[in-house]
Amino acid sequence: EIVLTQSPGTLSLSPGERATLSCRASQSVSSSYLAWYQQKPGQGPRLLIYGASSRATGIPDRFSGSGSGTDFTLTISRLEPEDFAVYYCQQYGNSPRGTFGQGTKVEIK
Amino acid sequence: EVQLSESGGGLVQPGGSLRLSCAASGFAFSNYAMSWVRQAPGKGLEWVSAISGSAGSTYYADSVKGRFTISRDNSKNTLYLQMNSLRAEDTAVYYCAKGSPYSSSGGYFDLWGRGTLVTVSS
Repeated sequence: EIVLTQSPGTLSLSPGERATLSCRASQSVSSSYLAWYQQKPGQGPRLLIYGASSRATGIPDRFSGSGSGTDFTLTISRLEPEDFAVYYCQQYGNSPRGTFGQGTKVEIK
Repeated sequence: EVQLSESGGGLVQPGGSLRLSCAASGFAFSNYAMSWVRQAPGKGLEWVSAISGSAGSTYYADSVKGRFTISRDNSKNTLYLQMNSLRAEDTAVYYCAKGSPYSSSGGYFDLWGRGTLVTVSS
């Protein structure tokens, strides 16, 4: 099983700042089958990025994904108030048994 | 409107059973694999089970294999999860999730419901 480790656990930033979230896999993720999700309290997750770098429908271009192999990054170029949430990465190379990272909370500083 | 809506959660005693439902609308339900993903209180996401669009293939996490059964009724645009022999560690919010295009087993999940809470406790 591929284990995903996200860092940091919590990111304290102010609106307008840049956020950089990391997701590291215990082994190479095939074909960059890596997705990112945003979750707000009381809601289901929302797909942001798939294929490591493709934005999902309706996702603002301040969200971008990069990386390959075992190291992946989600960048939010300028934080908006609605971006403060928990973010999860997921590998789906061995779908359906994809695994999720433990999450990074982006909180208001 | 494209959406998923779960129901059927509640409080159940250890060893008991519960059946979850997920009503889908706004997309061609039978064309997509569907999954259940759960989230224990204050914890991360855990994939539980998946089913292909035709219902011809089903998949389970080791933690629920032999106790949970996934099914779907494409005529009713509804996904189900029958949960038997429930344990305290099954306590979680259960989400249904729509699989990505061109993936027969799920892939990434491009649509999620709001979830339904299952609490296993005496």
